[in-house]
Amino acid sequence: KQEVTQIPAALSVPEGENLVLNCSFTDSAIYNLQWFRQDPGKGLTSLLLIQSSQREQTSGRLNASLDKSSGRSTLYIAASQPGDSATYLCAPVGGSQGNLIFGKGTKLSVKP
Amino acid sequence: EAQVTQNPRYLITVTGKKLTVTCSQNMNHEYMSWYRQDPGLGLRQIYYSMNVEVTDKGDVPEGYKVSRKEKRNFPLILESPSPNQTSLYFCASSLYLPLRDTSYEQYFGPGTRLTVT
Repeated sequence: KQEVTQIPAALSVPEGENLVLNCSFTDSAIYNLQWFRQDPGKGLTSLLLIQSSQREQTSGRLNASLDKSSGRSTLYIAASQPGDSATYLCAPVGGSQGNLIFGKGTKLSVKP
Repeated sequence: EAQVTQNPRYLITVTGKKLTVTCSQNMNHEYMSWYRQDPGLGLRQIYYSMNVEVTDKGDVPEGYKVSRKEKRNFPLILESPSPNQTSLYFCASSLYLPLRDTSYEQYFGPGTRLTVT
């Protein structure tokens, strides 16, 4: 059964810092991996989708990498801003159900 | 605007009173699913549907029903809600069921916060 771990569980940084969020998963037989952000009391916003055949995906200040064989993905946020404060969720997809298996998330706080 | 909508956004009900949470998407997606989010447990899939009239159980289907009569709609039905179904519910959709080497981004609705007393 796929298990997803996100480290750290919480992170507080001053504005402008570059930061890395880590995600590890136990079953490397995944089809893709998606990163989301969730604001308090809100829905999930898709940030990046990395296909299993890709190593990296970029969108603006965000860069996600995937190392399927070692069961790891990282989300790199450049020049963090207070508006980046949210919980970031990592979710690989695999198997016949097509369901995302979510980690517990990293709660990010960017201080002005 | 491409989106997944859910109604209601907030619902407080009593044990045993049947309720339906609606989900609709305007992206012509074939794959739709329901998740629940609970503190300490994260998000877990309840049911999914690969296309009209095709539904199947996810990881936590007990106490729920779904139907998919039209491509755009995927309602979640709680026939006899119980307090352990108090949760935050999300509907999601993507173009197709994710497959090896062919995967599609999944989009989520804004969530429905359900409280069963």
